[in-house]
Amino acid sequence: DVKVTQSSRYLVKRTGEKVFLECVQDMDHENMFWYRQDPGLGLRLIYFSYDVKMKEKGDIPEGYSVSREKKERFSLILESASTNQTSMYLCASSLGGAVDEQFFGPGTRLTVL
Amino acid sequence: AQTVTQSQPEMSVQEAETVTLSCTYDTSESDYYLFWYKQPPSRQMILVIRQEAYKQQNATENRFSVNFQKAAKSFSLKISDSQLGDAAMYFCALMDSSYKLIFGSGTRLLVRP
Repeated sequence: DVKVTQSSRYLVKRTGEKVFLECVQDMDHENMFWYRQDPGLGLRLIYFSYDVKMKEKGDIPEGYSVSREKKERFSLILESASTNQTSMYLCASSLGGAVDEQFFGPGTRLTVL
Repeated sequence: AQTVTQSQPEMSVQEAETVTLSCTYDTSESDYYLFWYKQPPSRQMILVIRQEAYKQQNATENRFSVNFQKAAKSFSLKISDSQLGDAAMYFCALMDSSYKLIFGSGTRLLVRP
């Protein structure tokens, strides 16, 4: 089974802190994605990556950056956390080169005080 | 821009009955894919069913089936013989050749015993 893991289920940070959210997948997937989930808005794509060291902006990249140094790991970075970044963050991965389902991690509930 | 609309924030169904969740979408692409994802209270998002737009036959997975109306851009999910374990948030999503998913806002399904 595909397994996507995220470093924390719950995280509490202070405004202005630098925050790292880590995601690891174990199925050699090329594509990886970061979403944020807010009530009434569904999931919105922040950033995605089709390969190591590649990254593409999604629909809401402002205030975020990403890093993909290894194929299995995709990190989301909040350079200076703000209260409006309080949300549920979901990571996903999928095979490359074809339309395929995305496999999701359990999510990280981030609260910025 | 591609959009996905789920007009039912919450639905309720009696155990063993049938329920239909609605989804409409808009895209200018001719080649795309549609998905229904389920997010139980534990938060791990899982794929329920997928439909390729070029296929006329509606997809079916056990108790789950879709009614895909391409001209109307409608993609509803029917759950037959509802079970308590079906209680979850259900998200409709659209994917084009970029492999990105566009999600609807979700429908919370309650199952009454």
